[in-house]
Amino acid sequence: GAVVSQHPSRVICKSGTSVKIECRSLDFQATTMFWYRQFPKKSLMLMATSNEGSKATYEQGVEKDKFLINHASLTLSTLTVTSAHPEDSSFYICSASPADRPYEQYFGPGTRLTVT
Amino acid sequence: GNSVTQMEGPVTLSEEAFLTINCTYTATGYPSLFWYVQYPGEGLQLLLKATKADDKGSNKGFEATYRKETTSFHLEKGSVQVSDSAVYFCAQRGNQAGTALIFGKGTTLSVSS
Repeated sequence: GAVVSQHPSRVICKSGTSVKIECRSLDFQATTMFWYRQFPKKSLMLMATSNEGSKATYEQGVEKDKFLINHASLTLSTLTVTSAHPEDSSFYICSASPADRPYEQYFGPGTRLTVT
Repeated sequence: GNSVTQMEGPVTLSEEAFLTINCTYTATGYPSLFWYVQYPGEGLQLLLKATKADDKGSNKGFEATYRKETTSFHLEKGSVQVSDSAVYFCAQRGNQAGTALIFGKGTTLSVSS
């Protein structure tokens, strides 16, 4: 149990376009989901915390208008990278905390975004 | 602010060698501590955790002890295998529900036969 999926696993887009990444908890309800960004040879940097039905809380330095996060249901959160630029190329990882086990956190496999 | 520092890699070992990956943290209060592993092409998986001082987390032959006095949570394994080759992340998290993990930069382990 406690499986988190992400879609797509890889995406290539042109500069200036927008890309949506989905994060789903497959076998549990997640009241809280987290979005991280992982740079090559770097740690995972928390971008935002998303609670179902409310606005996401963004970390300092993360542009909320550029990285739109929606957590419309207990099993789905989406990250939309708007007007993508090459510097947005990265590995984006989501994680989810089960509603009945809020101290646990399960990670998705990540999405590799390349902006050309 | 809270942070996690772990040794830089890569760490290259022969099979059956002893492994230590150092990890220290700074935090207000007493966080929970974790080691996550990321195998090539896969997502992060929880390897072990400890939620209070002197707790020892263990899994798959790996161990780490929560040392409050040295603010450390070093990962050890007595005899590594080729299949242990992966990136290892030390992390901390505050003890409130819904708190995000804070990660170290990761240490790449490469084990050769």
